[in-house]
Amino acid sequence: DTGVSQDPRHKITKRGQNVTFRCDPISEHNRLYWYRQTLGQGPEFLTYFQNEAQLEKSRLLSDRFSAERPKGSFSTLEIQRTEQGDSAMYLCASSSSLAGIRTDTQYFGPGTRLTVL
Amino acid sequence: AQKVTQAQTEISVVEKEDVTLDCVYETRDTTYYLFWYKQPPSGELVFLIRRNSFDEQNEISGRYSWNFQKSTSSFNFTITASQVVDSAVYFCALSEAGTGRRALTFGSGTRLQVQP
Repeated sequence: DTGVSQDPRHKITKRGQNVTFRCDPISEHNRLYWYRQTLGQGPEFLTYFQNEAQLEKSRLLSDRFSAERPKGSFSTLEIQRTEQGDSAMYLCASSSSLAGIRTDTQYFGPGTRLTVL
Repeated sequence: AQKVTQAQTEISVVEKEDVTLDCVYETRDTTYYLFWYKQPPSGELVFLIRRNSFDEQNEISGRYSWNFQKSTSSFNFTITASQVVDSAVYFCALSEAGTGRRALTFGSGTRLQVQP
C-alpha cells in the first residue's frame, strides 16, 4: 500500500516569493485535506476536497492561499507573496468516504516544511 | 464550537512504566469521532485509533489501551510497559460527523519521553 506522499519535503524561500506544494493521496481515497502545523502546536485545518470539489475552507486560508485538485487525484497548495508567518509544516491527509470501519479516517503524509526568510 | 484539550504538555517516564495521556473534548454534536495520532521525531502523523461517539467500549491493542467516557467527555490513552520507541508527541483529535464537516480539530499534543 502506498501512503500519502508530499513534495517537496523542505522548502526555503524569501519573503514575497510564491511557493507551491504537491500532495498525492492514497490511490483509492476520494477525500483530501490540507493542514498547517506550527512548532509546538497541533495541526490546524486549512481546506478539504471531495474528488475535485473544494467543499470546506478554514478562515486560516487567506486570499494568498489557493488549493486545487483538478482531476480528483493529486492536489496543489500555493502560497502567494509569502510572509515569515507562513513558516510551518504543511500536512496533507486523505480518506475514503466508502462505508466501512475506516471510513473517513485521515491518513497523513510526511509534510512539507516551509521556511520563509 | 468543538475543542480538544490535552492538559499534559510533556511527560517523562522510565522504560517499563505505565503512562496515561489525557484528552478532554467539547462538542455540541451528538455524532462524532475521536482519534489518537502519534508524531515521532521524523514528523509524520501516524494513525493509532478511531472511536465513534456511540461506542463507549474500551479498546486494547497490544500495549495500548483507550478509555472513552462520554459522561466526562474524555478519551484517555494508556501505554503499558512503555518503551523508548514510544517517545513521540501524541495528539488527540475530534471530528463532528453530524454536521458534515470533515475537518479534524486537534489538541496541542503531549510530548512523551521514555528514558531507558
